[in-house]
Parts: sequence; C-alpha cells; structure tokens
Amino acid sequence: DTEVTQTPKHLVMGMTNKKSLKCEQHMGHRAMYWYKQKAKKPPELMFVYSYEKLSINESVPSRFSPECPNSSLLNLHLHALQPEDSALYLCASSHVYGYTFGSGTRLTVV
Amino acid sequence: DQQVKQNSPSLSVQEGRISILNCDYTNSMFDYFLWYKKYPAEGPTFLISISSIKDKNEDGRFTVFLNKSAKHLSLHIVPSQPGDSAVYFCAAGGINRDDKIIFGKGTRLHILP
Repeated sequence: DTEVTQTPKHLVMGMTNKKSLKCEQHMGHRAMYWYKQKAKKPPELMFVYSYEKLSINESVPSRFSPECPNSSLLNLHLHALQPEDSALYLCASSHVYGYTFGSGTRLTVV
Repeated sequence: DQQVKQNSPSLSVQEGRISILNCDYTNSMFDYFLWYKKYPAEGPTFLISISSIKDKNEDGRFTVFLNKSAKHLSLHIVPSQPGDSAVYFCAAGGINRDDKIIFGKGTRLHILP
C-alpha cells in the first residue's frame, strides 16, 4: 500500500456543525501533516505530527483540532467553522526524499 | 517573505518540445528540493527530488537541476506530452525530515497540440 487515503472526498457543513476529516496511511511513515489549499494557491501547512506527537502547529485557529490516535491515522476535527475555511484539505505523510499526499477533502462551509 | 519563488505563473509549450520550469529560493539552510505536479481537485503528486549534495537528478522524462550558488533549481520535461498540463509546485525542506516543506506558488504548464 503506497497511498494516503483521505475520507470523505467532499464535505458540506454548516457553521454550527461538528465534523471530522480522516487520513490513513500504511507505509510506516512516522510524520503526518495537514495542509489547507485555497484555489490557485500553494498548500499551506497547518499541523505536523511526528511519532504521533504534535510537533508543529502553524497558529491554526482552535476551531481546527488535530488528533493522531496511532501511527497510521490522522484526524482533523472541525467545529464552528467559517465560510472562509472552505478549501481543499490535504493530508500527507513523509518519507526520505518526499511527501506522499492524499487526494484531499473538498470542504464547503455554508 | 517568500522563501520559495516561482516567478512564472504560467507557461505554454508545444507538444514534443522541452518544458523548463524555474524556481528560486532564499534560505541557504534548505538541503533538499522537490517538484510536485497537481491536477485540479486532486492532491499534489510527487515527481522528483534532489538533495543539495547533487546538481542533477534524472527520472525518465523529468530532470531537476540545482545551482546552489545561484539558489536556483529547474525542472526539465522532455519531450513534453499533453498529460503534462498541470500546475507544478517547487518545494524545499531542511535537514529535519519531519519538518515542514515550503511550497512555491506554482507554475501552470499548458502543453499545446
């Protein structure tokens, strides 16, 4: 298995909803990442987990809450989001000379 | 401050010709560099990387060149094919592989028939 799998692929949520994004990899990578990508912009780093511990939080608002229950799973819990949070959310895991990205979750906040 | 710069937002190249995508960086602490290709509504796909100890890395139709003194790298695609039409992101990282990588803003490549 050489993939990073993200679910769901699409998500529409209201501003009062609570939802979660899920990311899974079985490549034995010990670093996992959440990126946010707005249209026509490069991916922006949100969080880095290294050996299941949060190592980088790029000043992300608390309405985004990451969780790494084990070395293969990475979740992003969402609560009270704003319409401007609508974006493509990408998960990645890293190996020696590159990252493997998932295909992303397209999030729309209404 | 943009640490990784792709100054050409778009590039059009005739099918069969060489595509050259350029990238400049400012941080001399970067020690490895990557190129990603991205189609609309998909995650970036890793293409090729290069360590700072090398000046060239080749993988099939893709070759990355690194000029450390100029803090410049380029991706050459030859021959260019229609399926190469996508956005190409240059990215750079430091010694710690668990650390973040910094992306450029991307260059949209159009391969013309």
